[in-house]
Amino acid sequence: AQSVAQPEDQVNVAEGNPLTVKCTYSVSGNPYLFWYVQYPNRGLQFLLKYITGDNLVKGSYGFEAEFNKSQTSFHLKKPSALVSDSALYFCAVRDVGGASNTGKLIFGQGTTLQVKP
Amino acid sequence: DVKVTQSSRYLVKRTGEKVFLECVQDMDHENMFWYRQDPGLGLRLIYFSYDVKMKEKGDIPEGYSVSREKKERFSLILESASTNQTSMYLCASSFQPPVSYEQYFGPGTRLTVT
Repeated sequence: AQSVAQPEDQVNVAEGNPLTVKCTYSVSGNPYLFWYVQYPNRGLQFLLKYITGDNLVKGSYGFEAEFNKSQTSFHLKKPSALVSDSALYFCAVRDVGGASNTGKLIFGQGTTLQVKP
Repeated sequence: DVKVTQSSRYLVKRTGEKVFLECVQDMDHENMFWYRQDPGLGLRLIYFSYDVKMKEKGDIPEGYSVSREKKERFSLILESASTNQTSMYLCASSFQPPVSYEQYFGPGTRLTVT
């Protein structure tokens, strides 16, 4: 069965420090991986994706993510956190179950990032 | 810019009422989705539509139905609202693969059933 896991409910980091939000996945075939961010009382916004190619993917707002096939991980990173990065972050993977290639995604349970001044 | 709009940001309904949640997208996307978001559970897919009048059940379709009469509009219907349907409801749309897998989300509707 396909799945995506975010092992931390919350990540706390001081402003200016590097941040990592973890994501691991389990899929058959090549994974298509995504990160989304949700600010309070808003919908989700797309941050970045990995389909193929370079293992380090750069996205919006200075975020990047590293695809690691051997560890089946796709961790979100930022070299220097801002207070305004505080939000809920979701990892997602392409759903290839059933009728494949429909465009459905499977989302993780979300990780709250708290950046303190 | 892609725009996905939802008819209400906040909604309060009584148990047993029929509830309609509307979603409209302006990007000519083939796919549209309804999710439910609850703390600690992430996003769970309720229903998915890949074309006008076409729909597919998601992970938690019980108690819900959907309607897609026009390409840009996807409605979620709670036939008889119950308190356990109190939640945040998110609509999303996307092109079909292989064009793209990115989904674009509306702002959400926070529904409270009393």
